[in-house]
Amino acid sequence: GAGVSQSPRYKVAKRGQDVALRCDPISGHVSLFWYQQALGQGPEFLTYFQNEAQLDKSGLPSDRFFAERPEGSVSTLKIQRTQQEDSAVYLCASSKGLAATDTQYFGPGTRLTVL
Amino acid sequence: AQRVTQPEKLLSVFKGAPVELKCNYSYSGSPELFWYVQYSRQRLQLLLRHISRESIKGFTADLNKGETSFHLKKPFAQEEDSAMYYCALSGRTGGGNKLTFGTGTQLKVEL
Repeated sequence: GAGVSQSPRYKVAKRGQDVALRCDPISGHVSLFWYQQALGQGPEFLTYFQNEAQLDKSGLPSDRFFAERPEGSVSTLKIQRTQQEDSAVYLCASSKGLAATDTQYFGPGTRLTVL
Repeated sequence: AQRVTQPEKLLSVFKGAPVELKCNYSYSGSPELFWYVQYSRQRLQLLLRHISRESIKGFTADLNKGETSFHLKKPFAQEEDSAMYYCALSGRTGGGNKLTFGTGTQLKVEL
């Protein structure tokens, strides 16, 4: 079956613009995660959804970052008034259940460049 | 707080040589440890997890709670092993099982 998909794959924004990044998880996966990966670093956790409920948003760097998953499937990560430090690859991952041992399946990422 | 340390940014070995990618962690509870791999132009994917005690593509990793380590090993490196490897720890906070990643080690297998 299809894996996790993300769109757009690349996004260039001017400083101050708003952007929206989309994630389509694997069908039926309960858990959805967003990570931010800066150049030369490992992915860093941003936020977590269990179905439509956002249970953990402790990793969101500022109130300019907002995520939603209104029907428990597709998720959108929105960044308002983008800054240069927001330039990174944004990764979405989904897993079937809730266990710590569940495999997280990653999408290809969206590379955001803020000029 | 949970933390994962991968001390080597780059590891270069010759084909057929043994490989050991180091990973140390800090976590107050009982950790779930994983190795993820990213081949060139591909997405991040799970290589193996400690709970499975399995060997994938010839790689193994043993959780050593005394040394808080989860090093990845392979006895004979192959050219196709060249990739970026990330060690990750799953910790249960806020209702979710978020992964904490190390900074990654780029493995380069030379002929």
